[in-house]
Amino acid sequence: EAGVTQSPTHLIKTRGQQATLRCSPISGHTSVYWYQQALGLGLQFLLWYDEGEERNRGNFPPRFSGRQFPNYSSELNVNALELEDSALYLCASTPEGGGTSTDTQYFGPGTRLTVL
Amino acid sequence: AQSVTQLDSHVSVSEGTPVLLRCNYSSSYSPSLFWYVQHPNKGLQLLLKYTSAATLVKGINGFEAEFKKSETSFHLTKPSAHMSDAAEYFCVVSDHLDSNYQLIWGAGTKLIIKP
Repeated sequence: EAGVTQSPTHLIKTRGQQATLRCSPISGHTSVYWYQQALGLGLQFLLWYDEGEERNRGNFPPRFSGRQFPNYSSELNVNALELEDSALYLCASTPEGGGTSTDTQYFGPGTRLTVL
Repeated sequence: AQSVTQLDSHVSVSEGTPVLLRCNYSSSYSPSLFWYVQHPNKGLQLLLKYTSAATLVKGINGFEAEFKKSETSFHLTKPSAHMSDAAEYFCVVSDHLDSNYQLIWGAGTKLIIKP
């Protein structure tokens, strides 16, 4: 069974540009979570999508947005990039009905975003 | 609001000796608690989770953790370290936000194994 996949592996942008990151969940999983992992810090929750809808978002500005497609894959968009957006962006998926306290999240390898 | 504190940013042990990674949490209700591991250049993987059943939880690769409500701790242990255990370990608590749950992550503990 294929795991969670993310693309691209690395992304280099300059300040003010836009970045688009992609995630494909495990087959059969309908919930997708996005996290930011800055160097030396734990994961910070960004967004949660389930069945095509945004269910929850973390404490990030509106220039962080995304969407979930009918095939449950997801896209994270970061507009007006700032230097501090440089981080590893991780995507995770959970089976149908995600959003309970006991869910195990299955993670992709991440996209390393560098903003110059 | 709930929070997680991993008391050590780095832990260094010799191969074959015990491992102890410490985690304390604050919670206003009965939490679910997790330990995830992140090996270099690999995705995060669940080690184990506590969901209000047995307080001693066994996970993969010989790791286990004990939920101690009185001490608000969920320390991760392993009797004998192996070189392959070198990785970063994250303690995680579930947070109830409105009607949704959200995971609150500790800052991580880097486990170094000396030959």
